[in-house]
Amino acid sequence: AQKVTQAQTEISVVEKEDVTLDCVYETRDTTYYLFWYKQPPSGELVFLIRRNSFDEQNEISGRYSWNFQKSTSSFNFTITASQVVDSAVYFCALSEYLKSGANSKLTFGKGITLSVRP
Amino acid sequence: GAVVSQHPSRVICKSGTSVKIECRSLDFQATTMFWYRQFPKQSLMLMATSNEGSKATYEQGVEKDKFLINHASLTLSTLTVTSAHPEDSSFYICSARDLGGGKGELFFGEGSRLTVL
Repeated sequence: AQKVTQAQTEISVVEKEDVTLDCVYETRDTTYYLFWYKQPPSGELVFLIRRNSFDEQNEISGRYSWNFQKSTSSFNFTITASQVVDSAVYFCALSEYLKSGANSKLTFGKGITLSVRP
Repeated sequence: GAVVSQHPSRVICKSGTSVKIECRSLDFQATTMFWYRQFPKQSLMLMATSNEGSKATYEQGVEKDKFLINHASLTLSTLTVTSAHPEDSSFYICSARDLGGGKGELFFGEGSRLTVL
């Protein structure tokens, strides 16, 4: 069975601080996808990144960066120079890897509530 | 980019009534859509996988007769909460993957907040 653990439940930082959101996963699959989503107070889920299991390169997108460590089954997310608009709930998720991709459902972690204070 | 739209975004109904929520992929075709449920301050739990032209696949513990799913076309899936009760109050989110182009990301609708009085 697949499992995603986000041990941190709530994080509060002051604007411009860097913050890292942890994600640890469990799966018996050798190939899989990992995701991060942002859920602002309005409720919609905003896609941030998808990473497949055979690509361990770290990725940077503006102030966001992701560190995928297969050896420790972790996929951590760092926000550099945080801003108030970053305040949201962040979900890490895992799905099996299927060629078609169509039927791969997501297993979500419990989410981390990030509050960025001015 | 690909967009998934849900309607209505908010609905309040009386106990015992049925409520229909629509999920549409606006600029791509989706043979499969997923319905999730989210309780306040909790994670998203998959309820069912909606398959175009065939029956939905429900997760363990989800009542099929309570949560009716119909995938009428390649761009529309509906979730009907039948004989709703206050415990059905929740945030329901659908998703679909755009396989036609891009990186095949899974896009989510805006969510529908159901309140049953």
